[in-house]
Amino acid sequence: QAQLVQSGADVKKPGASVKVSCKASGYTFRDYHLHWVRQAPGQGLEYMGWLNPNNGATGFAQKFQGRVTMTRDTSISTAYMDLSSLRSDDTAVYYCAAARWGLYVMDVWGQGTPVAVSS
Amino acid sequence: DSQMTQSPSSLSASVGDTVTITCRASQSISTFLNWYQQKPGKAPSLLIFAAASLQSGVPSRFRGSGSGTNFTLTISSLQPEDFATYYCQQSYRTPFFGPGTKVEIK
Repeated sequence: QAQLVQSGADVKKPGASVKVSCKASGYTFRDYHLHWVRQAPGQGLEYMGWLNPNNGATGFAQKFQGRVTMTRDTSISTAYMDLSSLRSDDTAVYYCAAARWGLYVMDVWGQGTPVAVSS
Repeated sequence: DSQMTQSPSSLSASVGDTVTITCRASQSISTFLNWYQQKPGKAPSLLIFAAASLQSGVPSRFRGSGSGTNFTLTISSLQPEDFATYYCQQSYRTPFFGPGTKVEIK
């Protein structure tokens, strides 16, 4: 059964960086794009970007360009999302999602990682 | 990139009702449109992809339709577990999500 398990909740100060991990199991990690989506408290879903686990290629929503990095370690089927220069409005639950039915069709989701940014 | 709008933003319905949610794209996206359900405190889950294809395991009371810029999600015979927030998402290019529609119990 395909599954994504994310790292635990984190608290950061403004200006710091956060790194969230997403470990895949039950499917071939390298075969499907991995996406990152976030959700601020009480708000909707906001798309951040994608990672091709096979070759490491990435693409980011314009809002996050220059501030987000997405990497992977294929030896442990794990993807990482690094967001820098954190602000209070980056407080959100961050989700990873695998797209197995199409480039952007997210059919397997991680459980979410709450990140709070507070001084 | 195509921006997405949804209507209504929320609705109240009773068990057994049929509800329809509309999603519009700012430009044509063919049938590159997916629907997700999200319950409080949980990750979203895929309901329908390619506008009308039901994800495995999703009950047949969920139906998607549309193409181009106008899409609908219809839930027939609403069940207690269907009260949730529903998001459309275009998968034509950068996969923006719609703002969501909250389905509440009347």
